[in-house]
Amino acid sequence: GENVEQHPSTLSVQEGDSAVIKCTYSDSASNYFPWYKQELGKGPQLIIDIRSNVGEKKDQRIAVTLNKTAKHFSLHITETQPEDSAVYFCAATLYSSASKIIFGSGTRLSIRP
Amino acid sequence: NAGVTQTPKFRVLKTGQSMTLLCAQDMNHEYMYWYRQDPGMGLRLIHYSVGEGTTAKGEVPDGYNVSRLKKQNFLLGLESAAPSQTSVYFCASSYSPASGSVDIQYFGAGTRLSVL
Repeated sequence: GENVEQHPSTLSVQEGDSAVIKCTYSDSASNYFPWYKQELGKGPQLIIDIRSNVGEKKDQRIAVTLNKTAKHFSLHITETQPEDSAVYFCAATLYSSASKIIFGSGTRLSIRP
Repeated sequence: NAGVTQTPKFRVLKTGQSMTLLCAQDMNHEYMYWYRQDPGMGLRLIHYSVGEGTTAKGEVPDGYNVSRLKKQNFLLGLESAAPSQTSVYFCASSYSPASGSVDIQYFGAGTRLSVL
């Protein structure tokens, strides 16, 4: 079955700097890679996703890149702000097989003022 | 627009007690899910449902039962709670693939359960 590894487990960056979180997956059949953000006391919320037919996707200050050959994908946050502090989860699944989604172990991102 | 609502938010049980966690969604979603979240282990799927009256096992189903009698509700039951079931439980819902929408999962705020 699918296995998703996520690094680092904790990350602290200066406000305004960039943050990068990396994930690797094991099942080459996976073709959909969402990223979720979990703020303290709340449930995870989708922030960006990418399908395997795309190498990169951007949405304002966040971007996700995918390397299908190496089976890894990354989340990039530029110009970090205090509200970016949260736990971020990557995930991998077959598109339209949401029941098979496998989550990474999470990265706790802290933004230093 | 409530989205996904979980009750209760917190609960403390003694070993062997039973309880039911309730999840309700008002988005007319076909799919619903129960996850548990443990430190350093991300979210693991317990059970899920692809429609009213249907349920299926996820990654870690042992010790839990579920029911989906109404489309908007998904119940998670613990028949005889064990300390290993101490965790934060999240319910989620999503549209079905047949709707043509990507399967974005919408999560509730979670239930923190401690089993002593």
